[in-house]
Amino acid sequence: SQQGEEDPQALSIQEGENATMNCSYKTSINNLQWYRQNSGRGLVHLILIRSNEREKHSGRLRVTLDTSKKSSSLLITASRAADTASYFCATERGAQKLVFGQGTRLTINP
Amino acid sequence: DTGVSQDPRHKITKRGQNVTFRCDPISEHNRLYWYRQTLGQGPEFLTYFQNEAQLEKSRLLSDRFSAERPKGSFSTLEIQRTEQGDSAMYLCASRWTGRDTEAFFGQGTRLTVV
Repeated sequence: SQQGEEDPQALSIQEGENATMNCSYKTSINNLQWYRQNSGRGLVHLILIRSNEREKHSGRLRVTLDTSKKSSSLLITASRAADTASYFCATERGAQKLVFGQGTRLTINP
Repeated sequence: DTGVSQDPRHKITKRGQNVTFRCDPISEHNRLYWYRQTLGQGPEFLTYFQNEAQLEKSRLLSDRFSAERPKGSFSTLEIQRTEQGDSAMYLCASRWTGRDTEAFFGQGTRLTVV
């Protein structure tokens, strides 16, 4: 079963704009991770935020985590055509398996 | 290439046939995962290994599915008596044991059952 739910399911923006995706989950977690998947390919890890962290940055990526609301957001600034992909959040409990959400399909229009 | 590799990349099979997929994880990683992904959905957990031990198997996984990881190295996923509903992308991932580690995914095996 899926743990996280991403919102929106699909997002289309112009190149150069910022893209924000949200993830909600149901149970307590050790960490939350974001992955990117280009069409028909494997997933690539983007960023991991621990349950005791509130915000993390990596290049043009900014992730926030609100454990009280059981939610996270991924912000991609100054989007590029190459950012077109599906983005998934994944949660982990007890250092075991990652449970993925349904994903957000992001399209960057030139 | 030191990443996770999966073979084959694509498999078309007739309903009722058996298929086997292989995953070679990153050599230092002792955890190996199998996921299934259908179009427009997120990866769905199937099973995982720590070294050669299969530690968890999804309740969604029917008895037609079996996975092995002999000697804690590569892994195989077999589907017996395939059904059209088995058509999906099968993803393998590996990672270090322990908390707060990222998973490295292979490119997946796309199965089409006709």
